[in-house]
Amino acid sequence: NAGVMQNPRHLVRRRGQEARLRCSPMKGHSHVYWYRQLPEEGLKFMVYLQKENIIDESGMPKERFSAEFPKEGPSILRIQQVVRGDSAAYFCASSPITGTGGYTFGSGTRLTVV
Amino acid sequence: AQTVTQSQPEMSVQEAETVTLSCTYDTSESNYYLFWYKQPPSRQMILVIRQEAYKQQNATENRFSVNFQKAAKSFSLKISDSQLGDTAMYFCAFMTKYGGSQGNLIFGKGTKLSVKP
Repeated sequence: NAGVMQNPRHLVRRRGQEARLRCSPMKGHSHVYWYRQLPEEGLKFMVYLQKENIIDESGMPKERFSAEFPKEGPSILRIQQVVRGDSAAYFCASSPITGTGGYTFGSGTRLTVV
Repeated sequence: AQTVTQSQPEMSVQEAETVTLSCTYDTSESNYYLFWYKQPPSRQMILVIRQEAYKQQNATENRFSVNFQKAAKSFSLKISDSQLGDTAMYFCAFMTKYGGSQGNLIFGKGTKLSVKP
């Protein structure tokens, strides 16, 4: 079992470009969560998805950010027109069911906006 | 809204000794989960230990154990026989069991633990 796979591991974007972060959950897991970690901070919840559905996006900024988890393929976190404040580590976690915690996290994508 | 507070930004301990990391939380709910996660320099988030609020018995995992005081809303982590590989950031996290936000972990700001040889 390969675990939760995130790519790329590092991503550099210029201000105004788009960033696409990918997350492949563990085999058999149908719940995906995205978190953001700013420097010297804990992780902050962004969005919770099941296949083809956004369940809770209460932690995601209303503009420029979107997420999807299609029937086939990885979950994608998309940030349009990136700004310096978007620089952070973005983590994906997956679980087979919800409400029990103890998710498996990926190694994260570190986004740097220059 | 639930909050998680870790009051020790940094701690250090000698190898083979015991260290306790503090965590307090605030919630009006009676049933929830609490977690400790470890984040080594590799950045991987690793689950260390998990506690269900309705269980009075403190969770243990090998050298890791918790002191869960529900009334005081305290959830400390004890690491016994510290090893160099325990050097990492440690995050306390809370998750509600019911309601619209179930599945969302709320993290504290972390405690940076250094184990010295």
